[in-house]
This record gives sequence, C-alpha cells and structure tokens, in this order.
Amino acid sequence: DAGVTQSPTHLIKTRGQHVTLRCSPISGHKSVSWYQQVLGQGPQFIFQYYEKEERGRGNFPDRFSARQFPNYSSELNVNALLLGDSALYLCASSLGLAGRLDTQYFGPGTRLTVL
Amino acid sequence: TQLLEQSPQFLSIQEGENLTVYCNSSSVFSSLQWYRQEPGEGPVLLVTVVTGGEVKKLKRLTFQFGDARKDSSLHITAAQPGDTGLYLCAGAVSGTSYGKLTFGQGTILTVHP
Repeated sequence: DAGVTQSPTHLIKTRGQHVTLRCSPISGHKSVSWYQQVLGQGPQFIFQYYEKEERGRGNFPDRFSARQFPNYSSELNVNALLLGDSALYLCASSLGLAGRLDTQYFGPGTRLTVL
Repeated sequence: TQLLEQSPQFLSIQEGENLTVYCNSSSVFSSLQWYRQEPGEGPVLLVTVVTGGEVKKLKRLTFQFGDARKDSSLHITAAQPGDTGLYLCAGAVSGTSYGKLTFGQGTILTVHP
C-alpha cells in the first residue's frame, strides 16, 4: 500500500509569491495534518483537517490556509511568501480516531525555498 | 503552550557505545511518540507510549514514559552506524486535536564506525 504522498518534492519561489502544496493520505485515513519544519528544529503544527473540516490550527499567520477534499487529500496554501517560510512542509495522515493511539504517518515532505 | 525540551541536541559516539536521549516537559501528555528522521525524508514512527511508567523495547532501543507522563527517554544499546539520524519526541495532549503533536527540537545522532 502507498504511504502518504506529497507534491511537489522541491519548490523554489520568490518573496511575495504564493504556493500550493498537496498531500494524499494513506487509503482509509480521514485526517490530515500539516507541519512546518525549519532546518535544525522539530516540526511545528500548522493545521489538522478531519472529514473536510478544520479541527485544529497552530500559531501561524492568516497567510497560511488549507483545505481537505472529499477524497481526503489536502492542500496547504501560503500567500505573500517571506524568506522565513523556507522550510520542509510535512503532511501526516491518520485514521482520525478520537483516542490516544491515533498514530500519525508522515509523508516525505515538500522542501520550499523562498528567495 | 506545551513545550518539549530534548537533550542533548547533538550526540557523536563510536560504534558499540550506549546512549540516552531525554525528552522533558512541564505539561502532562496523554501519549508520547518517538520518531526517527533521515535527511530529506519525513519522520518515521518508532514507538508510542501512553501509560505512566511504561517501558517498551524495540531491539536495541528502550523507551520509557515517566510516571507523571511529563517526560520520556530513549536508550540505545551498542549503537551502530545505521542508527545515525535525527530522533524526535512528540507529545499529544488530552482534550486537544489528536492530529496536533508537539515536537521536541530533536537530537542529531552520529555513530562513527
């Protein structure tokens, strides 16, 4: 079975541009979460979506938005890119169980570089 | 705000040595997970601990969850070069979205042959 897939793998943008990152969860998983990982740090939570509804939002500006589609895939959008948005963006999927053992499975990430 | 402090940040050892990585917080977590991440890849789950005092073993890796569920440790016995990577602890807080994990800053482990 395929794991979590993300596209594109790498992306180079300039300041002020916008970007759309895509994620396909593991088959059967209804929850998708997005994380930002700056070089040398642990991932930071951005959003969680479950059944197409936002279930959680981290401490990120409104330039960051996301949505989940009927097939449970998801997009992360970032507007007005800043140099500080350069990072590895990780998508994680899970069954969405309301319990402590709702294991998150991570994709390989999209490496975004803002020049 | 829940914070997870991981130590040490860097660890460089010789093959065959033992090591311990610590993950500490002032917050109580309903579960704590350990991940390993290779360069250019996403984190891969190693273990989940949910009960205070719980100890889990995965071959040469031993994971422990503190009695108060505020801290955890990862111990590797007889480290091998294949253990090289970034180790991350991540906690989930009861009552919040379970898709929201709070990560430590990571421990970069290098095992020299």
